Amino acid sequence: GQQLNQSPQSMFIQEGEDVSMNCTSSSIFNTWLWYKQDPGEGPVLLIALYKAGELTSNGRLTAQFGITRKDSFLNISASIPSDVGIYFCAGLASGTYKYIFGTGTRLKVLA
Amino acid sequence: GAVVSQHPSRVICKSGTSVKIECRSLDFQATTMFWYRQFPKQSLMLMATSNEGSKATYEQGVEKDKFLINHASLTLSTLTVTSAHPEDSSFYICSASPQGAAYGYTFGSGTRLTVV
Repeated sequence: GQQLNQSPQSMFIQEGEDVSMNCTSSSIFNTWLWYKQDPGEGPVLLIALYKAGELTSNGRLTAQFGITRKDSFLNISASIPSDVGIYFCAGLASGTYKYIFGTGTRLKVLA
Repeated sequence: GAVVSQHPSRVICKSGTSVKIECRSLDFQATTMFWYRQFPKQSLMLMATSNEGSKATYEQGVEKDKFLINHASLTLSTLTVTSAHPEDSSFYICSASPQGAAYGYTFGSGTRLTVV
């Protein structure tokens, strides 16, 4: 099935550093979601975005709905060890209820 | 908040047997639930949409006779992997939404299926 491209695929960062990742699509979406998945668990919703250009924060996490509606960005500030996991974006197109998931960004934090 | 419970969390079965996985919405009613499959280090791939009181709709390439879905009540959907083979070993996750698609889906904790 269709997937969204996420970048980077994986990253190692030092504790305290800021992290940026993005998600791109060839299609336009009306809703963007960001999830985090811990090993052996289901994904947990972090942030939902509904409007082009929208910037939404959840604690140290900030996500943006790209102005073209074909991309989204997630930033994590001052990373901590528990930020380790896989981050997935998911997009919802108009007229559908099925989300398309990104390929994932695997984050590893070095203490 | 919305909670989706999945059971079992891990199951090992012999090749040729069938395995049933349950997905329950604990504090909301879900007319629609979704079943995903996830291979190691890969993304979630939608297998099928489970519809309460009617047949499930399967994504292209997913064998409906192999992955039987039953959504008999507003809080329970089951996925049965029939005649399981080692290549069916995977992480299966269900999801549902209490407020509609635009608000995102709540996922269960997943079921790790190992077929030996």
